[in-house]
Amino acid sequence: DSGVTQTPKHLITATGQRVTLRCSPRSGDLSVYWYQQSLDQGLQFLIQYYNGEERAKGNILERFSAQQFPDLHSELNLSSLELGDSALYFCASSVGRRGGYGYTFGSGTRLTVV
Amino acid sequence: AQSVTQLGSHVSVSEGALVLLRCNYSSSVPPYLFWYVQYPNQGLQLLLKYTTGATLVKGINGFEAEFKKSETSFHLTKPSAHMSDAAEYFCAVSDGEYGQNFVFGPGTRLSVLP
Repeated sequence: DSGVTQTPKHLITATGQRVTLRCSPRSGDLSVYWYQQSLDQGLQFLIQYYNGEERAKGNILERFSAQQFPDLHSELNLSSLELGDSALYFCASSVGRRGGYGYTFGSGTRLTVV
Repeated sequence: AQSVTQLGSHVSVSEGALVLLRCNYSSSVPPYLFWYVQYPNQGLQLLLKYTTGATLVKGINGFEAEFKKSETSFHLTKPSAHMSDAAEYFCAVSDGEYGQNFVFGPGTRLSVLP
């Protein structure tokens, strides 16, 4: 157990729908990072939050959004889902606002869009 | 900016043989370097990391890596492969403790043949 908790583990939904993925960071970590992993695109950084504020943005689509709450858990919202959004979505956390010492990853949410 | 290349998207070795996974990086500042492992249907787990000090770092499960500044490399090795080592391995680089960038390589899938 890495200490980073992601729910749900699996999600199957239809095209056009909206889903919310949840992440609780490791105790004491203030930064949360979201990554998308697909077979054709590899590991793609989506977005980072630090202590409730957006810190860095990667290849995140406009249909996707995220936030970090006062208790430091984070949610990734995916809307108007397309077949191509099927992927593993990982959350990671780190102590500081910059992950220089590395990240701790959760076990991921596997999203299947049908 | 940092970048990482991993030579060989797929490497196969026989059980008991040497494992060598190659990683080369580009960084304009002294890098911090990491190897992560991803077992099937799991998240990424930190295998080992180099920040400062000794250039040969030992990680979990008998893996080690050597930072070679002159070659801008951080290759991962294990003297004797086990079947349980079959996984995806990701090299990553950051620009130090207070750096802003953390970049993953494309990954190398290791297969271990009986």
